[in-house]
Amino acid sequence: QVQLQESGPGLVKPSQTLSLTCTVSGDSISGGGYYWSWIRQHPGKGLEWIGYMYYSGNTHYNPSLKSRVTISVDTSKNQFSLKLSSVTAADTAVYFCARDGRVTGFDFWGQGTLVTVSS
Amino acid sequence: QSALTQPASVSGSPGQSITISCTGTSSDVGGYNYVSWYQQHPGKAPKLMIYDVSNRPSGVSNRFSGSKSGNTASLTVSGLQAEDEADYYCSSYTSTYTVVFGGGTKLTVL
Repeated sequence: QVQLQESGPGLVKPSQTLSLTCTVSGDSISGGGYYWSWIRQHPGKGLEWIGYMYYSGNTHYNPSLKSRVTISVDTSKNQFSLKLSSVTAADTAVYFCARDGRVTGFDFWGQGTLVTVSS
Repeated sequence: QSALTQPASVSGSPGQSITISCTGTSSDVGGYNYVSWYQQHPGKAPKLMIYDVSNRPSGVSNRFSGSKSGNTASLTVSGLQAEDEADYYCSSYTSTYTVVFGGGTKLTVL
């Protein structure tokens, strides 16, 4: 069974960089065939796609966040990471990592982690 | 990119059927069959219910079905049950290699 688990600080100060890691078990990121995504959900709001990466390093980002987002992979640890720079209170959200089979949709999700931006 | 358009809420009585629409453009919903639907209960991660417009993952009840016509995709839930009460989101791949979600629909079982 594929499992994903987000980890990282739950509190980030304004203007700093939010950093989260997603650890994958039950599947190999370097095995190919899937895209690995970050998705967030503001409190009481809908889902917002942040971006995805392929194991080769190819990435695509939401145009509204592109200037501040970096998604990277560590295949040796079977992890992928999110960095969001220059955060403000508007970046306070639950952040999910998910496996994207493209045709098969986001078939496995992490439980989500709440990140609050506050001084 | 703009979010796909979903009704904010729908409701139905147990045993009835409801349909949730998801309207996009020819650059997303209308241009690809990469349309998926997700169910989210409060405090939980979303769960994949439909992929590739109309396919159900293993373990998902056949009371859930999906379809698409032009730029609008639809999720139908038949034989409504109390456990179906949740938020539902559609998503689509786009022509610019990104993904877009709908704004979400709250399903209330009366």
